[in-house]
Amino acid sequence: SQTIHQWPATLVQPVGSPLSLECTVEGTSNPNLYWYRQAAGRGLQLLFYSVGIGQISSEVPQNLSASRPQDRQFILSSKKLLLSDSSFYLCAWSVPRGRDTGELFFGEGSRLTVL
Amino acid sequence: AQSVTQPDIHITVSEGASLELRCNYSYGATPYLFWYVQSPGQGLQLLLKYFSGDTLVQGIKGFEAEFKRSQSSFNLRKPSVHWSDAAEYFCAVSPGGNTPLVFGKGTRLSVIA
Repeated sequence: SQTIHQWPATLVQPVGSPLSLECTVEGTSNPNLYWYRQAAGRGLQLLFYSVGIGQISSEVPQNLSASRPQDRQFILSSKKLLLSDSSFYLCAWSVPRGRDTGELFFGEGSRLTVL
Repeated sequence: AQSVTQPDIHITVSEGASLELRCNYSYGATPYLFWYVQSPGQGLQLLLKYFSGDTLVQGIKGFEAEFKRSQSSFNLRKPSVHWSDAAEYFCAVSPGGNTPLVFGKGTRLSVIA
């Protein structure tokens, strides 16, 4: 069966420090991968999605970036965190192109607090 | 572009009472439709989905949803709410392919004794 792992679960970082959140999927190949952000009471905001290695689509311009160095690995990064980056970040995957109905499978999330 | 509207930001129901959460979507063709649930500090879990066929779909935890094309709606229902159902509920729509899901802003459900 497929599983998705996301870490770290919680992170407290000072303003201006770098960020790296990692997400890996097991049990499938060539998944579509997604990063969402969820601010308190504000729903889900799609940040990035990827349909293959090195293919990243950015939905919202900001100081965050995403990379997909391996087929089932998706990384969310920042060179310098802002206070406004404090949020709950969710990684998700869906089945590959051609069989994709859009159904998403989510990780357990990473709570980022920037101080 | 597709959009999803969940008109109710917060709903409070008594334990044992029935529940209906509203969802309206905007999309030209019949989309794929989903309901997800999120407990505090957790990821989202799929409750149910509609792709085609029977417009009344059954999901986990006793939930069901009905697709009504004429109303562009996909409302979530449960006949008797349990305290453990308190959570955030998200409706989502997808045209399929590689287009990401579009989510509503969510409805927070509180359950009182």
